[in-house]
Amino acid sequence: DTEVTQTPKHLVMGMTNKKSLKCEQHMGHRAMYWYKQKAKKPPELMFVYSYEKLSINESVPSRFSPECPNSSLLNLHLHALQPEDSALYLCASSRASGTNTGELFFGEGSRLTVL
Amino acid sequence: EDKVVQSPLSLVVHEGDTVTLNCSYEVTNFRSLLWYKQEKKAPTFLFMLTSSGIEKKSGRLSSILDKKELFSILNITATQTGDSAVYLCVLYNQGGKLIFGQGTELSVKP
Repeated sequence: DTEVTQTPKHLVMGMTNKKSLKCEQHMGHRAMYWYKQKAKKPPELMFVYSYEKLSINESVPSRFSPECPNSSLLNLHLHALQPEDSALYLCASSRASGTNTGELFFGEGSRLTVL
Repeated sequence: EDKVVQSPLSLVVHEGDTVTLNCSYEVTNFRSLLWYKQEKKAPTFLFMLTSSGIEKKSGRLSSILDKKELFSILNITATQTGDSAVYLCVLYNQGGKLIFGQGTELSVKP
């Protein structure tokens, strides 16, 4: 079982809907990540939070809005998505950047379908 | 630009075979190289390599890094159907960025 928990596991939404993906970890990690993964492709980095502050935004469209309410939680708010945004969204966590070895702990992902 | 190239992209073997997966990379400032296994969902961590020539081993899986020639290999001996997965090679640079390879899709037939 992964120590990073993502909900929901599956989400179907229309292009006008507003929804959120949630991620939680209790390993004391201070860096949290959102990745997007399309079929047969490696994960692509979207956002990195370090000590609850956004440290990396990989030029992600504003219809994706991340939020880190505290060190254990990471949300991804979705609004006005396009069908091409359908993908597996992976949350991950790691130790803070200074002590980080690169090892990420991934959640099982939220599979998003945009109709 | 830092990059990771894996080969082959896909591989089909039979149970009991030994496989070698390759990962070559280009990096300005190396920090570590990691291998992950991804089945249907989340990637799971296999190995982290930072030093050349030191083999990391876990059961039937082993991996080694060559920082002079800029490559790593992942070996799986006596393969089982449960080894079927995508294996991801990931470079971690000093800038704190993870660069993923395309992955090798391994299929182990009974």
